[in-house]
Amino acid sequence: SQQGEEDPQALSIQEGENATMNCSYKTSINNLQWYRQNSGRGLVHLILIRSNEREKHSGRLRVTLDTSKKSSSLLITASRAADTASYFCATDLKAAGNKLTFGGGTRVLVKP
Amino acid sequence: DGGITQSPKYLFRKEGQNVTLSCEQNLNHDAMYWYRQDPGQGLRLIYYSQIVNDFQKGDIAEGYSVSREKKESFPLTVTSAQKNPTAFYLCASSIGGKIDPQHFGDGTRLSIL
Repeated sequence: SQQGEEDPQALSIQEGENATMNCSYKTSINNLQWYRQNSGRGLVHLILIRSNEREKHSGRLRVTLDTSKKSSSLLITASRAADTASYFCATDLKAAGNKLTFGGGTRVLVKP
Repeated sequence: DGGITQSPKYLFRKEGQNVTLSCEQNLNHDAMYWYRQDPGQGLRLIYYSQIVNDFQKGDIAEGYSVSREKKESFPLTVTSAQKNPTAFYLCASSIGGKIDPQHFGDGTRLSIL
């Protein structure tokens, strides 16, 4: 199975609501990244959080990292229809050489 | 504008045929990556290259080959040995190591005729 596992697999919300998704991993990491993918497109980098950080913000995005629980969460506040996409976490494993390991993603639908 | 260009956008492969997917970047990035994405799934790493003339196998390299003769180019060949090649293929690049954000192309969708 993949290192990063997102939960839930799919999420449907109304415009203006907040969306929260979680990522769990199994072994120690150096950092964790979140990406967005619009349907049929490539991924776009959203935010990177290092293992010694607990929280980061970027615009309407808030990412937390709990290394004791081996989990991270991505919160999108005041969601918009344009936030409809799949969101992936990618872990930088300490033992994995120079590569990222991507999770299966959370598909978010924001209804207008 | 700098970015990553993948071509073609759609590609069809016949049985027993090798096909090559193109990936070009003008971001002056040292590292480049190829991923495979199956429907509704995450990304799996096929090959990656940290520097010209050097590359490493990822998690699912069997049936694929790559070359890195130029910094800006990292073509992927899907060989006839890859028995289930139907997927969405994504190329990415980063400045250097894995701590750097990866920039992605818009993918090539490969199907079997």
